[in-house]
Amino acid sequence: TQLLEQSPQFLSIQEGENLTVYCNSSSVFSSLQWYRQEPGEGPVLLVTVVTGGEVKKLKRLTFQFGDARKDSSLHITAAQPGDTGLYLCADLNLMDSSYKLIFGSGTRLLVRP
Amino acid sequence: DAGVTQSPTHLIKTRGQQVTLRCSPKSGHDTVSWYQQALGQGPQFIFQYYEEEERQRGNFPDRFSGHQFPNYSSELNVNALLLGDSALYLCASRDRGRNYPNSGRFRNEQYFGPGTRLTVT
Repeated sequence: TQLLEQSPQFLSIQEGENLTVYCNSSSVFSSLQWYRQEPGEGPVLLVTVVTGGEVKKLKRLTFQFGDARKDSSLHITAAQPGDTGLYLCADLNLMDSSYKLIFGSGTRLLVRP
Repeated sequence: DAGVTQSPTHLIKTRGQQVTLRCSPKSGHDTVSWYQQALGQGPQFIFQYYEEEERQRGNFPDRFSGHQFPNYSSELNVNALLLGDSALYLCASRDRGRNYPNSGRFRNEQYFGPGTRLTVT
């Protein structure tokens, strides 16, 4: 059974600071996805990465996928209160023509104004 | 264009009771998945439906069952509720037509609803 470990579990920072959160898998990712979930809402997809070593940028967010496709990091530059939320990494598992997402337990980020 | 909708938003049940949660997928989507998210945890896959059939199931007991209707909406039923069933239940939908089987890559644009918060006392 694949296990995704995210660290840190909780992060509280001041507005304007930079931060990095991590996701490590017990096995090679099929397709890695990062989500953000705000209180009272479902997760929202931020990015999908599939190629080892891939780097994707989404405004102030930078996503890196490890060369061995077993780890990933999310870096936020100049964090803002709107970045507050639960950041989840997930692996997209395919089986025949159906699929499922395996999620980590998340990093809860609080950005203080 | 409405996104994924779920009802009810909150629900309180007593141990041993049965509950039905409902999900309407995003317009144009025909595949519905259900996830359970316990407090402080990431979502866990329960099962997936398309063409009105259960296509894949996670590690959940038979007390968890589902149904998909011809209009693609779905229900999640949980029987004999336990205290440990207290969680946020998320529904996610996707358009299977966005598969790219020949590319060797799967493009998943799955959308989640806001969830139903179930409390079992």
